Amino acid sequence: EVKLLESGGGLVQPGGSLKLSCAASGFDFSRYWMSWVRQAPGKGLEWIGEINPDSSTINYTPSLKDKFIISRDNAKNTLYLQMSKVRSEDTALYYCARPGYGSSSWFAYWGQGTLVTVSA
Amino acid sequence: DILLTQSPAILSVSPGERVSFSCRASQSIGTSIHWYQQRTNGSPRLLIKYASESISGIPSRFSGSGSGTDFTLSINSVESEDIADYYCQQSNSWPTTFGAGTKLELK
Repeated sequence: EVKLLESGGGLVQPGGSLKLSCAASGFDFSRYWMSWVRQAPGKGLEWIGEINPDSSTINYTPSLKDKFIISRDNAKNTLYLQMSKVRSEDTALYYCARPGYGSSSWFAYWGQGTLVTVSA
Repeated sequence: DILLTQSPAILSVSPGERVSFSCRASQSIGTSIHWYQQRTNGSPRLLIKYASESISGIPSRFSGSGSGTDFTLSINSVESEDIADYYCQQSNSWPTTFGAGTKLELK
């Protein structure tokens, strides 16, 4: 069974940093592109970016490019999202998502999300 | 970026009714549209891929149609468990984008 489990969320002050993790199991993590998607309270879904299996290609949605760093450790079956210089508008539930196959852009599997709250 | 406009924002239905959700793209995207359901406090769940392709484990009452700029997700006979938010996503043009969603509520 495919499982994605995010962690690392919490309260962070404006201007601060936070690193989120997504532990994957039930599939060969090293063969899949992985994405991060966020959802502000009461709002819709926003794709943050993606990373390919060997970390040689990392893409970010342009408006968020300078705020996030996506990385992965295939030995640990874990995806990461480093957030920096956070602002109140970064308050959201952060999901990791796996495509249906390889590099497809539709997301068959989602974690339960980890909540990041930016507040002084 | 491609803008996806979902309408209406809220749909009110009675159990057993047929309901349709609309998703319109700001430019032609072929059939690269995917639909998700998100129940309250739940994660998104993939319902339909590439406009009309079914997903294993999803009830057959869910179907999708459309191509180009206009897409529709239909629920043949709504059940109470279908009460949720529904989102479309396009993957034709980078970056992938989502619509703002349609909330399905019971009358």
